[in-house]
Amino acid sequence: EVQLVESGGGLVQPGGSLRLSCAASGFTFNTYTMNWVRQAPGKGLEWVSSISSDITYIYYADSVKGRFTISRDNAKNSLYLQMNSLRAEDTAVYYCARDNKEFTMLREVGYWGQGTLVTVSS
Amino acid sequence: EIMMTQSPATLSVSPGERATLSCRASQSVSSNLAWYQQRPGQAPRLLIYSASTRASGIPARFSGSGSATEFTLTISSLQSEDFAVYYCQQFSNWPKTFGQGTKVEIK
Repeated sequence: EVQLVESGGGLVQPGGSLRLSCAASGFTFNTYTMNWVRQAPGKGLEWVSSISSDITYIYYADSVKGRFTISRDNAKNSLYLQMNSLRAEDTAVYYCARDNKEFTMLREVGYWGQGTLVTVSS
Repeated sequence: EIMMTQSPATLSVSPGERATLSCRASQSVSSNLAWYQQRPGQAPRLLIYSASTRASGIPARFSGSGSATEFTLTISSLQSEDFAVYYCQQFSNWPKTFGQGTKVEIK
């Protein structure tokens, strides 16, 4: 069974930093592109970032480019999101999400974690 | 950036009735479109990908159609568990943009 478990969310002041982690299990982690998708309270879904299986390709939404860094450790079956210079508008549930098909880059999301809440407030 | 527009924002349907949800892309995405369902308090779930292919375990009452810029998600006979918010997403170009969602509520 595919499992994605996020951690690292919490309350942080504007301008602060936070690192999210996602522990993956139940599939061959190093063959899938992984993503972060967020959802502000009461709002819709927003794609944040994607990283290819071999870390060759990385993409970011314009809203986070230069502030967020996605990374992965295939030996540890883990995905990360380093978030710096956080703003109030970054407040959201952050979902770790796996592409539906392996060995591809631009695909739909097949599996989602339960999310971790990040609140940026003073 | 490709903009995805869903309509209507809210759809009121009685159980057992048919629901038709629309998604429009600001430019052609070919068949690179997915639909997701999100129930309250839950993570989204993949329903349809490549515009018309049902994901694993998705009931046959869910169907997708369309190509290029116009897409439709049809739920043939609404069950109680189908009342939720539905999102479309294009994966033709970066960024992978979502529509704003359609809430299907009980009439």
